[in-house]
Amino acid sequence: NAGVTQTPKFQVLKTGQSMTLQCAQDMNHEYMSWYRQDPGMGLRLIHYSVGAGITDQGEVPNGYNVSRSTTEDFPLRLLSAAPSQTSVYFCASRPNRGSNQPQHFGDGTRLSIL
Amino acid sequence: AQKVTQAQTEISVVEKEDVTLDCVYETRDTTYYLFWYKQPPSGELVFLIRRNSFDEQNEISGRYSWNFQKSTSSFNFTITASQVVDSAVYFCALFDRGSTLGRLYFGRGTQLTVWP
Repeated sequence: NAGVTQTPKFQVLKTGQSMTLQCAQDMNHEYMSWYRQDPGMGLRLIHYSVGAGITDQGEVPNGYNVSRSTTEDFPLRLLSAAPSQTSVYFCASRPNRGSNQPQHFGDGTRLSIL
Repeated sequence: AQKVTQAQTEISVVEKEDVTLDCVYETRDTTYYLFWYKQPPSGELVFLIRRNSFDEQNEISGRYSWNFQKSTSSFNFTITASQVVDSAVYFCALFDRGSTLGRLYFGRGTQLTVWP
């Protein structure tokens, strides 16, 4: 049971570089989301998706893009990295938006922007 | 508006002490769910418990227990006879059906350090 898989686990970027954080789940979950975790801030929602082809913004979407071409994959793109995007990123999934089931989280990606 | 407050930023205890982590939530919905997650030093988020708004029974799982009180909008977490392995950041989270984003609302977390 792989659950939610995130890659890479660590990444260092220079300001202005772009990159994609990968997220895949094998549970056929409709709802997927990206959070960022910053010290003392808890987890804040960046973007979410309720199914293939449907995405929407969370509370801190600026500087990030997402797409959902398949049920399994939900990549997060940083188009032009900024130091303020240094954070730990978590991908999560659960059966659907209205489900009260616990979210399954990936192990996180630790991203540093120099 | 939905909100989760964990007023305790950091707690330090010595092994074998009991410790309670506080969680206070706000929601206008009558149907909601509360969660606790543990984040050990390795960084992953580990689900501990889910409680729905209609079930106010306290729950015990080994050394862990949870006290849900709707009257005070609290969902507190107690670790009995703490151990060094309990050292982690603990997050309380809220999900309600009124959330248009389908999101969990997280508190800011409590860093628990258990000293040997």
